[in-house]
Formats: sequence, structure tokens, C-alpha cells
Amino acid sequence: EVQLVESGGGLVQPGGSLRLSCAASGFTFSSYSMGWVRQAPGKGLEWIAYISSSSRHTSDADSLRGRFTISRDNAKNSLFLQMNTLRVEDTAVYYCVRVGYTNGFNWFDPWGQGTLVIVSS
Amino acid sequence: DVQMTQSPSSLSASVGDRVIITCRASHNISNYLNWYQQRPGKAPKLLIYAVSNLQSGVPSTFSGSGSGTDFTLTITSLQPEDFATYYCQQTYSTLIFTFGPGTKVDIK
Repeated sequence: EVQLVESGGGLVQPGGSLRLSCAASGFTFSSYSMGWVRQAPGKGLEWIAYISSSSRHTSDADSLRGRFTISRDNAKNSLFLQMNTLRVEDTAVYYCVRVGYTNGFNWFDPWGQGTLVIVSS
Repeated sequence: DVQMTQSPSSLSASVGDRVIITCRASHNISNYLNWYQQRPGKAPKLLIYAVSNLQSGVPSTFSGSGSGTDFTLTITSLQPEDFATYYCQQTYSTLIFTFGPGTKVDIK
């Protein structure tokens, strides 16, 4: 069974840092691009970061202004999101996603269960 | 950047109703358009990719159509488990994956 399990969320003060992890299983992790999506309380989905299978290509949402960094360790089947200079508005559930692809089309499937990050003093 | 809009933002419907949700892109995105369903308190789930391709396990009551800038998600006969929020997503822009704001379908 394909599974993504996030961890590392919690309460952090504004200006602080946090590192999220996503443990992947049930598929050949090194063959897939991966990403992070977040959802603020009561709000919609916001794509925030992408990384290719070999880590050669990364991208992130303009709204982050470079504060977050996505990375991966294919030997450990793990995806990471380093979040720095956190703001109250970064409070959200953070989802890990696998990027499916065929014939040039991409999609997000599956999704992890999410990890909650609360930025508050 | 490509911006996505959805209409309506919410709708009320009854079991058995036919529901149509519209998604519009600010620029031509060809057929690089996906749909997701999110039930309350759950992670989103892929329904349809590349406009009209049903993900494995998704009931045939769901269908997608469109191209360019205008797309629709149709639920032909709404079931109790279909009450959820639906999001479209564009994957046309290189390494940028924008979601629409969502359409909440609730019980009339």
C-alpha cells in the first residue's frame, strides 16, 4: 500500500523554525517527484513546494518569499520541508504529496494525513 | 502566473441531484487540469486528472470536461459520500501547481 506519513508539526513562536518530514512507503520513492501542500484553518489548498525525483529541480510558491526549503533523502525514502522565519499566517495543516505523471501530465496522489503547524506566541 | 477561479463557491443539493462545478483559468492551460475531493476532516483525494481521466476507484458518477480556460466537474447523481469540497488544480505552468479556491457541496 502506498503511504505517506508526515511528522514534525507543532507549536512554534513567530520567527522560529520547524522541519517537517514525510516518510514514504509502498512505492519506489526515488522514481517520483514529491511536493508539499498546506491548508490554513477553514481555508483552501495552497501548493507550496515541489522537488523532482533526483532533487535536480525544485520550485516553491512565490508567497513563501524563499523562507521554506524542500529536500529529500532517497536512501531513506523521506521528504523534508525546512521552514524558517515562520509567521502567524503559516499556521496550517501541511500535506505531503506524491506527484504522479504520465504523458506530460502531473497530479498529486496520494496525500498524507497531514501535520499541523501552529505559529503563535 | 495562472490564476484559477471556481463557481459557485458553494452549493446545496439533494441526494440524486446532478451537480456541475465550473473552474476557469486566467490563461490557456490546454488540458492540464485536475480535480480533487476533500471530505470534512480528511486529506484531499484525486478524482480526475488531465481534465477527464478518472482516478482508479473513483465512481463513474464523476466526470470532467473542458479545455483551454473553461472546465467542468459533473456529478451525475449525488451520493451522501459526495458532500465535500472540490478543488481544481492547474499543472500547465512549469513546476507551478495552482489550486482553485474550492466549491463546497452540502446537503439541501
